[in-house]
Amino acid sequence: NAGVTQTPKFRILKIGQSMTLQCTQDMNHNYMYWYRQDPGMGLKLIYYSVGAGITDKGEVPNGYNVSRSTTEDFPLRLELAAPSQTSVYFCASSYHETQYFGPGTRLLVL
Amino acid sequence: RKEVEQDPGPFNVPEGATVAFNCTYSNSASQSFFWYRQDCRKEPKLLMSVYSSGNEDGRFTAQLNRASQYISLLIRDSKLSDSATYLCVVNPGEDSNYQLIWGAGTKLIIKP
Repeated sequence: NAGVTQTPKFRILKIGQSMTLQCTQDMNHNYMYWYRQDPGMGLKLIYYSVGAGITDKGEVPNGYNVSRSTTEDFPLRLELAAPSQTSVYFCASSYHETQYFGPGTRLLVL
Repeated sequence: RKEVEQDPGPFNVPEGATVAFNCTYSNSASQSFFWYRQDCRKEPKLLMSVYSSGNEDGRFTAQLNRASQYISLLIRDSKLSDSATYLCVVNPGEDSNYQLIWGAGTKLIIKP
């Protein structure tokens, strides 16, 4: 079992560029989440999904989009990167309350 | 007031000592509570759930005080490997779709 995998591990973007952060889980969890973590701050929920085809906004969705076409995959799309999106992005999945995280993607927007 | 508040630390503690930290939460209707551990530049991992009666897992003890709306984590006989950031996490309610509320974490440094 790989658990939750995320790619890439690290990326530098220029302002205005777009990219997709990939997230895959092999635990057959219905719930999936995208968080961002800024230095000294708690995790902030960007988007979440309760199952394939269903997504909803979290606390900080502006500037991001998601899709959930399969149970396994939950990609996060940044359309027009801004310096404020410099952060560490974590994907997580859960069956109930316990969330299992991927290793994170460090994104730097310059 | 933040929904989940923690002392950011760092707590600098000698190896073998006992250390405790608290976390307060603002929503009195919160359903369940957790401590996660996050090592430097790594992902959070569940350390333990916190039950109303309190629970213990080896050297770790977690307690919940609903009246005062705080949870605590006690670490006995601390090890160098306990150095990490400890995240307090709250499930606000049954219809939350498991949208957990995360504290910013308490940093613990165990010194030899």
